[in-house]
Amino acid sequence: KNEVEQSPQNLTAQEGEFITINCSYSVGISALHWLQQHPGGGIVSLFMLSSGKKKHGRLIATINIQEKHSSLHITASHPRDSAVYICAVREYGNKLVFGAGTILRVKS
Amino acid sequence: GAGVSQSPSNKVTEKGKDVELRCDPISGHTALYWYRQSLGQGLEFLIYFQGNSAPDKSGLPSDRFSAERTGGSVSTLTIQRTQQEDSAVYLCASSPAAGGNSYEQYFGPGTRLTVT
Repeated sequence: KNEVEQSPQNLTAQEGEFITINCSYSVGISALHWLQQHPGGGIVSLFMLSSGKKKHGRLIATINIQEKHSSLHITASHPRDSAVYICAVREYGNKLVFGAGTILRVKS
Repeated sequence: GAGVSQSPSNKVTEKGKDVELRCDPISGHTALYWYRQSLGQGLEFLIYFQGNSAPDKSGLPSDRFSAERTGGSVSTLTIQRTQQEDSAVYLCASSPAAGGNSYEQYFGPGTRLTVT
């Protein structure tokens, strides 16, 4: 079993829909990161959080430490949101452990 | 300001040759990370540098892989006697610090390595 599990693996949405991507992990962590990777593009850090909730524009990330679960929400989705979204956890050390990613496609 | 830069952006090499990949972190960032993303696979950690401390090499897949960071800034990842399974995108990231506190990591554009 992977230490970091993401769901769904693939997601197709219609423009304007509310999107949720889930991440569960099995180890103790000091922080959780949500990353975005566009096709052929680099990786951008969207959020780093260790508790509660963060919001940036149309993106919201939440984490429940007790349940070892985090969600990334996209409100009013747009085709430009199409990308791979990656959950990564920082264990009590230096390295990030990554989920397999969720491929999101938003259709207009 | 300038972000993390990596060079070359693409590298094609023959099996058995050595390659060097370079990373220039954001100025002032003391922590530097190397990751690998193989085709159809997720990201995996390779090595981490923090200041003058000994690097965390726990992610290096074999002794053909090594990395150094000179002067606490530029880093070079070296792969000796490349194999086809080394083909991947090699990503570098930097952050202001690490250790007891967690900081956001800023990723470079990556170097796509193809071993023929």
